Amino acid sequence: GNSVTQMEGPVTLSEEAFLTINCTYTATGYPSLFWYVQYPGEGLQLLLKATKADDKGSNKGFEATYRKETTSFHLEKGSVQVSDSAVYFCALSGRNAGNNRKLIWGLGTSLAVNP
Amino acid sequence: ETGVTQSPTHLIKTRGQQVTLRCSSQSGHNTVSWYQQALGQGPQFIFQYYREEENGRGNFPPRFSGLQFPNYSSELNVNALELDDSALYLCASSGDYGYTFGSGTRLTVV
Repeated sequence: GNSVTQMEGPVTLSEEAFLTINCTYTATGYPSLFWYVQYPGEGLQLLLKATKADDKGSNKGFEATYRKETTSFHLEKGSVQVSDSAVYFCALSGRNAGNNRKLIWGLGTSLAVNP
Repeated sequence: ETGVTQSPTHLIKTRGQQVTLRCSSQSGHNTVSWYQQALGQGPQFIFQYYREEENGRGNFPPRFSGLQFPNYSSELNVNALELDDSALYLCASSGDYGYTFGSGTRLTVV
């Protein structure tokens, strides 16, 4: 079945450091891939997405490229800020019979950015 | 364009009680799914409704049930609450262009 594997956290960085959070997936067909962010005490917000191979999603300085050959969707940011401290979730969605749009989630990676 | 609204935002219930959580759907979205997120964990898929019918279910017992209404809003019902049901319950509506999540309902079972 479909699955998502994320690097374990917590990740602690200094402000302006480079961030990479690894995400790999297993899926049949051609899933869509997502990164969601959850700030403390809040719900999930879509950060970026990619719907086909070689697509690059980007938002708020974050980027991730859909790599079918390595089944990966790693999240990167060139210079993190304290306000980026949150939990980041990688997820995939595959369409199947019955219009089932279930999201499959990674376990989340907690990021703490120190000033 | 409206977002997804969940109510209530916080709730405390006693073990054995029943609870109903509510979710409005984003305009144009005909699919709604519910997730349970325990503290420090990723969301776990409970079930999904498409045009008022359940069309997918995760590994949750039958005491977790739901409804979707003609306006695509939805309810999650949990009977015979257990302490382990304490979690953040997230609702997401989806259409052709992706998912929109509500802010969640924090349920505490004591």
